[in-house]
Amino acid sequence: DSGVTQTPKHLITATGQRVTLRCSPRSGDLSVYWYQQSLDQGLQFLIQYYNGEERAKGNILERFSAQQFPDLHSELNLSSLELGDSALYFCASSPRTGGSMNTEAFFGQGTRLTVV
Amino acid sequence: AQTVTQSQPEMSVQEAETVTLSCTYDTSESDYYLFWYKQPPSRQMILVIRQEAYKQQNATENRFSVNFQKAAKSFSLKISDSQLGDAAMYFCAYRSAQGGYALNFGKGTSLLVTP
Repeated sequence: DSGVTQTPKHLITATGQRVTLRCSPRSGDLSVYWYQQSLDQGLQFLIQYYNGEERAKGNILERFSAQQFPDLHSELNLSSLELGDSALYFCASSPRTGGSMNTEAFFGQGTRLTVV
Repeated sequence: AQTVTQSQPEMSVQEAETVTLSCTYDTSESDYYLFWYKQPPSRQMILVIRQEAYKQQNATENRFSVNFQKAAKSFSLKISDSQLGDAAMYFCAYRSAQGGYALNFGKGTSLLVTP
């Protein structure tokens, strides 16, 4: 158990809908990363938050947004869903934003999103 | 942007044998970190081993070791005495030491371990 909790584990929704994925980082970790894993694109970095502020952006669509709350949990919001958004969404956390090797990222078990 | 290439979509090894998974990367940075992650059928991403680019010594973790060739931008993973539990997808990943610290992953290599 990595200590990173993601809910829900599975989600099935229709095209055009909006969903929210939730991530609770390991106790004490300030940095949260979101990744998307799909068959055609592989594992892609979406966005990073550090202590409530957006720190880095990757290949995140404009239909997607995220935030990190004062208790450090994070939510990834996916709207106007398309079939191609079906993927495994991972959250990872680390103690600080980067630098030394002590910032190993710990991954949650992912949320499997299926858009039908 | 840094790219990570894993040229072997699938590999197979017999139990107790040794297998090497390949990874190359492209970067203009001198300071960075490299990782191998394992993803078993449970989907959990598990860190196997990591290497700091400024260290010449190759990292080793029990049966897992790497061959890090900085000039060639190569970072291969060797699994010795393969076990059935080693069967999984293996991802090579790059992380910059500056700016954003997200991981940049390769496409993965599926490792099959046969009895």
